[in-house]
Parts: sequence; structure tokens; C-alpha cells
Amino acid sequence: GAVVSQHPSWVICKSGTSVKIECRSLDFQATTMFWYRQFPKQSLMLMATSNEGSKATYEQGVEKDKFLINHASLTLSTLTVTSAHPEDSSFYICSARAETQYNEQFFGPGTRLTVL
Amino acid sequence: AQSVTQLDSQVPVFEEAPVELRCNYSSSVSVYLFWYVQYPNQGLQLLLKYLSGSTLVKGINGFEAEFNKSQTSFHLRKPSVHISDTAEYFCAVSDGVDSGYALNFGKGTSLLVTP
Repeated sequence: GAVVSQHPSWVICKSGTSVKIECRSLDFQATTMFWYRQFPKQSLMLMATSNEGSKATYEQGVEKDKFLINHASLTLSTLTVTSAHPEDSSFYICSARAETQYNEQFFGPGTRLTVL
Repeated sequence: AQSVTQLDSQVPVFEEAPVELRCNYSSSVSVYLFWYVQYPNQGLQLLLKYLSGSTLVKGINGFEAEFNKSQTSFHLRKPSVHISDTAEYFCAVSDGVDSGYALNFGKGTSLLVTP
């Protein structure tokens, strides 16, 4: 089956620093990648949708200047949390959709971000 | 856009007992429905999906769900649960191309299986 990886799996950083999270589709080309955020004991909230080679589409309430998304290739998307603060601490999960899998997303294992 | 309601936040059940996790969605002309399972500190694993065709969908780990258009429901069932089924379960809906294939998730149901 389709495999999506995320790196790192967990990261701890100081307040004010930036953190980059990578999402890779390992065995398929992902025309669309999605970034979700999950707080403890809560559901996944869609942050943004990115299509390869174009700007990401952000959901209402998500600061695009704070959460920079780059989808430079068909197998890689990155999420950069700029000037991170403790309230940005969360579980970030990406998913990827292949052109041939119109209605199915494959999820990465998630990245736990803790901002001190 | 579609929305999903998972009526039960927690479902405790004894091992080997049957279980049903409820999911209702807002109506639409076309809808695609999914159930995912999440174990602690892990990503999501697809249990099953309804895209079209037969309304009874069978998934992994012995789970199944039935798409009921008149009741706008997609309840998840398992006839006999195991301790290892303890996890968080999310129902999700997509409008397909109309929403860029984005998923809207329910708030999740925590299934706790005890001996």
C-alpha cells in the first residue's frame, strides 16, 4: 500500500525558533498533500491543502505567514512553523493523495511538536 | 461543506462483546465516507471507506460499516471486540473534487475494551 513518512517524529524547540517538518510519499506521486493539526484528545483539524507547484490553500483562521507550506515536488511537502510559541505545541499530521486515488488520503505517522 | 457528528465521545465495552460506533453526516448529493483508527501517538490507519456501490462495507480487523442515505449515517460495527481494539476512532467525510478531496473529521470516539 501507499506509504507516507514524516520527519521528525518528534521535536522540542525553544520559543521563537522555527521548525521544519517534512512529509514524503515513498512509493507514489502525491499531487495533493494536506496538513492537519491535532490537539490532545481532540480531532484532526485541516490546516491547509497544497498542490505540487502551486501555493497552498489555508483554512480560515490559519496564519499562512506562520505556517509556511512548500510542495516543491510530487513526493515532498514541508511545513515550517515560524517563530514558534508554546501554543503551537501540537501533533501535526500530513496526508497525501495520488492522482489515481481520488478519494483516499494516506496519512503520515505524525510529528509531535513541543515548544518550550 | 460536509460535516460529521460522532455522537459518542467514549464507548466502554467488554472483550468479545459487539460494538457500534455511531457517525452521522450532513446531507449532500454525493459523499464519500471513511473510518480511521488512531493508536496513541500514531497517525491514522484506514479501517474502511464508502465511495459508491454496496452500502455494506467491510474493512480490516473485522470491522464493517453500513452507509444509510436516508438516515445520513455510517455507523461502524464489530461483532466481537478484542483488547487490542482499544483506540480512538474517527469518522470522516469528503465532498470529493468539490472540496479538493479534503476530509472533515468527527470529534472521535474513544473505544475502551476491558477484560
